[in-house]
Amino acid sequence: QSVLTQPPSVSAAPGQRVTISCSGSSSNIENNYVSWYQQLPGTAPKLLIYQNNKRPSGIPDRFSGSKSGTSATLGITGLQTGDEANYYCGTWENSLSAWVFGGGTSLTVL
Amino acid sequence: EVQLVESGGGLVQPGGSLRLSCAASGFSFSTSWMAWVRQAPGKGLEWVANIKEDGSTKNYVDSVKGRFTISRDNAKNSLYLQMNSLRVEDTAIYYCARWRIGYMDVWGKGTTVTVSS
Repeated sequence: QSVLTQPPSVSAAPGQRVTISCSGSSSNIENNYVSWYQQLPGTAPKLLIYQNNKRPSGIPDRFSGSKSGTSATLGITGLQTGDEANYYCGTWENSLSAWVFGGGTSLTVL
Repeated sequence: EVQLVESGGGLVQPGGSLRLSCAASGFSFSTSWMAWVRQAPGKGLEWVANIKEDGSTKNYVDSVKGRFTISRDNAKNSLYLQMNSLRVEDTAIYYCARWRIGYMDVWGKGTTVTVSS
């Protein structure tokens, strides 16, 4: 059972918008930065969003991040079939002095 | 090019030991926190440990405390993970990553560890 809760799967049609939620608590998300990672099948994770809402160089602005209280959200607009992947949120857990990931969300572009 | 390359994975029996290595290039390794993250077959990501630039601070996930040791050699631009008393549940792909405040921005391709009799 992950400290951070994500929906196991989401789906949407090409060109549409999807959001992926990440729910935590005051000991993790509320008081720390959240980051998001994309893992395409058979590849290493890739940083998508850092410090809640910043995009690394090379990440298109179709990807966005936000945080409010104990929850964070990843948004993806203009969905493409190449966006099919697993998405993970992550943050520091103060009570454990450890980094935690959400359980991951599988995105299907129908 | 910023790059991390892991090595040292393999098949080991339960109770055995293995030492993973991660070679860094293209960035200032000696001024970067580093981390290990693992992924069991068909499962999600699990952070394992991280280490401060000078090696003075180390953090571990509870499940590996007392069994795994993270270390680094800044002169060799290398990160290590010494894994002792290995268990079947340690079977995973192990990734090396550069650690920043609140995120991990550079990842290696991973090395596979299989613990089985």
